[in-house]
Amino acid sequence: AQSVTQLDSQVPVFEEAPVELRCNYSSSVSVYLFWYVQYPNQGLQLLLKYLSGSTLVKGINGFEAEFNKSQTSFHLRKPSVHISDTAEYFCAVSDRSNQGGKLIFGQGTELSVKP
Amino acid sequence: DAMVIQNPRYQVTQFGKPVTLSCSQTLNHNVMYWYQQKSSQAPKLLFHYYDKDFNNEADTPDNFQSRRPNTSFCFLDIRSPGLGDAAMYLCATSRDWGYQETQYFGPGTRLLVL
Repeated sequence: AQSVTQLDSQVPVFEEAPVELRCNYSSSVSVYLFWYVQYPNQGLQLLLKYLSGSTLVKGINGFEAEFNKSQTSFHLRKPSVHISDTAEYFCAVSDRSNQGGKLIFGQGTELSVKP
Repeated sequence: DAMVIQNPRYQVTQFGKPVTLSCSQTLNHNVMYWYQQKSSQAPKLLFHYYDKDFNNEADTPDNFQSRRPNTSFCFLDIRSPGLGDAAMYLCATSRDWGYQETQYFGPGTRLLVL
């Protein structure tokens, strides 16, 4: 069965500092990976996704993530964060062994950007 | 703009009193999903519709039902809400059912059970 582990429940960081949000997954087959962001009292918005091809994926708002098959990781990075990046970030996975399009989400990482 | 709309944004109900949450979409997507998200937890899929075909997750309580009268609308009915059903309910859509499909989420309805 698939699972997703987000290693940090909370990440505090100062404005303009770099940040990395960690995500590891387990699956016995090829995976498709997603990062979603959830601002306070809002739904989830897709940041980026990896389906195939280049392992470095660029998303919206200056975020990028790197798929590492050998380490089964898909960490999210941003070189310089803003106050407006304060939100909850969810890593999610789907794969061919699953019931088609079912997404399995990690527990989320709360990013708090301080001035 | 094409979007996923959920009404109301906040819903208060009483213990045991039936409640209905609504979702509509202008994306003309085939698939609609309902997720439950409790505080500080990951969204958990309750069920989804592929067109008119209903697909229930194995661990979704019988207390939760859904209706999709047409492509645009989908409803979540909670027949007898308990205190443990207080959560954010997220509706999502995708163009098709498949492992590479992107899901588009609405803003959610926060349910409070008194």
